[in-house]
Amino acid sequence: GAVVSQHPSWVICKSGTSVKIECRSLDFQATTMFWYRQFPKQSLMLMATSNEGSKATYEQGVEKDKFLINHASLTLSTLTVTSAHPEDSSFYICSARGTASSTDTQYFGPGTRLTVL
Amino acid sequence: GIQVEQSPPDLILQEGANSTLRCNFSDSVNNLQWFHQNPWGQLINLFYIPSGTKQNGRLSATTVATERYSLLYISSSQTTDSGVYFCAVSDNQGGKLIFGQGTELSVKP
Repeated sequence: GAVVSQHPSWVICKSGTSVKIECRSLDFQATTMFWYRQFPKQSLMLMATSNEGSKATYEQGVEKDKFLINHASLTLSTLTVTSAHPEDSSFYICSARGTASSTDTQYFGPGTRLTVL
Repeated sequence: GIQVEQSPPDLILQEGANSTLRCNFSDSVNNLQWFHQNPWGQLINLFYIPSGTKQNGRLSATTVATERYSLLYISSSQTTDSGVYFCAVSDNQGGKLIFGQGTELSVKP
């Protein structure tokens, strides 16, 4: 149980285009989903927290107009990187939590590797 | 915010050896998780352990919350144990997981 999927697993796009990444909880309802990015040889950095049906909460320094997050249902959250540039190339990982409780376990998706040319 | 420090940053083992990874955190926490990130980037949940001791096969973990540290033990290591091990914690402030910098483990045959 507690499986989280992401699609696509990798994507290459041209500078200036937008890319949408989907995160799905397959066997549980995710009250809260999180989006992280990870640069090579570095740790995970939280970008934003999203609760189903409400606006995402972004971490300091993360541009909300560039990284659009939608959590339309209890099993799906999307991250859209708008007008992508080479510096947005990174590994993007989502996680999901079944309740709003901070003591609940987070389960992670397999990640999406974005390369912007 | 909470600071999380992991040690050692890198570790090279011969297959069959045992190891201990450490995670120190700067404040009280209500959630602590250990993860293994495999070479393809997938984060695999190892333990949810805000306090106490748990074991799962060759892996075990202990968290001493009052002293603000957690230990991950790997016994009889195998080459498939290679990868990066992360400790992540959260406090009562919104439940965001804060990750340590990880320990990169390489197990040689």
